[in-house]
Parts: sequence; structure tokens; C-alpha cells
Amino acid sequence: DAGVTQSPTHLIKTRGQQVTLRCSPKSGHDTVSWYQQALGQGPQFIFQYYEEEERQRGNFPDRFSGHQFPNYSSELNVNALLLGDSALYLCASSLVGGAFDNEQFFGPGTRLTVL
Amino acid sequence: QKEVEQNSGPLSVPEGAIASLNCTYSDRGSQSFFWYRQYSGKSPELIMFIYSNGDKEDGRFTAQLNKASQYVSLLIRDSQPSDSATYLCAVLNDMRFGAGTRLTVKP
Repeated sequence: DAGVTQSPTHLIKTRGQQVTLRCSPKSGHDTVSWYQQALGQGPQFIFQYYEEEERQRGNFPDRFSGHQFPNYSSELNVNALLLGDSALYLCASSLVGGAFDNEQFFGPGTRLTVL
Repeated sequence: QKEVEQNSGPLSVPEGAIASLNCTYSDRGSQSFFWYRQYSGKSPELIMFIYSNGDKEDGRFTAQLNKASQYVSLLIRDSQPSDSATYLCAVLNDMRFGAGTRLTVKP
């Protein structure tokens, strides 16, 4: 049973650049949530995708955008990178409508460094 | 503003002791409460979840929920050095995590 996968593992960008991170959910899951985790902090919710639509969004600027594909995989795009965007980006998958529809399983994360 | 609060620690316990991790939340309408373990440099790993008032046990772990007091806790019995990690409390219907409590179990 394949778990949640993310790519790339690490990424280094410079200020002003754009980045795309990718996530494939756990087999059987249909919902993908993205989180940003700064060092020493808990994960901060960016947005959640279900049925190829953004279902919920946290308090992040429009520079952060996403997409979900018909196979449930998802991308997170960040434009005009700032130094403060340096963080671990986590993807979590879940099954909406299941008995415990909020149970989320995390991928290994993508470590983004902005120089 | 909906909040999830945890003591940042560090919490240090000797091997074999009971570790008690606490979490409070501000939204009285919160439904689902999750505990995750995160080793340094790794992603969070789901330990257990609780929906109803009272205790829920899974092996060495017990989650306790008191909705009237807006309080959820995680007890780890017979703590092992391998339990040393940061423990995150999450209220996922609000999509909120606490900042985590760092636990160290000393041999």
C-alpha cells in the first residue's frame, strides 16, 4: 500500500523565483491538504483540495496556489518567493466522507530554502 | 481566532515513566482531535485520534478528551528513549495544529 509521496525532497531557490511542489496521495484517498511548517512551529494549513477544487484555505496570500488532478495528485505553486517562505512543505492525504474523514496522513515533505 | 495551545517543553521523563502531554483548544465546536509524533527532520506520524469524551487506549498510548474543559491529553506509559520526539496536537476540523511539545525520554 503506497503511502503519500512528495517531490522533490529538497529545493533551493532565490527570492522572486517560482516553485512547484508535487504530491501523490495514499492509495484510496481523494483529498489533499498542504501545510507549511517553519522550524520549531506546528504545521500551518495552506489549503485543501477535493474533487479538483479548493475546498478550504488558510491564511496564506494569493502567491500560494494549487491544483488537483483527476488522479487526485496535487501541486502547490508559490510565486515571487520570499525569504520567509523557507520551510518544510507537507502534503497530507485523507478520505472525505469516510467514518473518520479528517484523519490525515502526511508525506515526507519538501524542504524549501529561499536564498 | 481559533487556537490550539501546547506547552512547548521540553518535557523530560526517565525511561519507564509515564509522559503526560497536554493540549487546549479554543473552539467549543471542535469535533475531532488527533495526536501526531514528529521526529527531528521527519514528517508528522499519526499516533491516534479521539472524538468522544473520556479515554481511548491504544497500546502504551492513552488519549483523554474533556470537551467541557476544552482539553485533550496524551499519556505514554512505559516511556522509551525511542519515544523522544515532538508531539503535535491537532484539531483537524479546524485544520489547526499546536506548536508541539518536545519530549525527551532519558535512559
